[in-house]
Amino acid sequence: LAKTTQPISMDSYEGQEVNITCSHNNIATNDYITWYQQFPSQGPRFIIQGYKTKVTNEVASLFIPADRKSSTLSLPRVSLSDTAVYYCLVGDAGAGANNLFFGTGTRLTVIP
Amino acid sequence: DGGITQSPKYLFRKEGQNVTLSCEQNLNHDAMYWYRQDPGQGLRLIYYSQIVNDFQKGDIAEGYSVSREKKESFPLTVTSAQKNPTAFYLCASSLATMNTEAFFGQGTRLTVV
Repeated sequence: LAKTTQPISMDSYEGQEVNITCSHNNIATNDYITWYQQFPSQGPRFIIQGYKTKVTNEVASLFIPADRKSSTLSLPRVSLSDTAVYYCLVGDAGAGANNLFFGTGTRLTVIP
Repeated sequence: DGGITQSPKYLFRKEGQNVTLSCEQNLNHDAMYWYRQDPGQGLRLIYYSQIVNDFQKGDIAEGYSVSREKKESFPLTVTSAQKNPTAFYLCASSLATMNTEAFFGQGTRLTVV
């Protein structure tokens, strides 16, 4: 099971781009990288998933280098409503629930 | 609307009583999961089920029990054996195929007094 390491917290001003990096040195060949967002007293919500290079959707971009030992979630022009905890997961949710391993995540605070 | 529903949102129980948390999904997902979250912490896996009538222990299964008699339902019982049951409980479901996202319910906040 590939464990992940993320910064515990980050602060950003409104309107800035935020990059959250996740380290996963033991990532396996079949593992995907998935990011979730969690607001207080709510369940986590899927943001983005990728395997290599770059993935972009309407919410974020995910950058994965060739060695796949790390990944970076990029949130463009954050707003106050992006204040949340962001979790990086590595594994395959369908292959076994233990791959849905949520660490402590990164607490992002957006400042006006 | 398709989704995953947990009930109740808030639950209070006296110490020593068993309590059952409900989780229902109409997404036709095979896999379902229960997590516990303590303040300022990440999610910890309690139990999961990949298919009806089968379930597996997660990292912190002691003091909890589950059943999976129907595909859409995965109730969690917090027993009196659980030493510190006050927490936020989250249920999730996913397809049992590779690289799928998990969908979470809104959670049940259990307080034992």
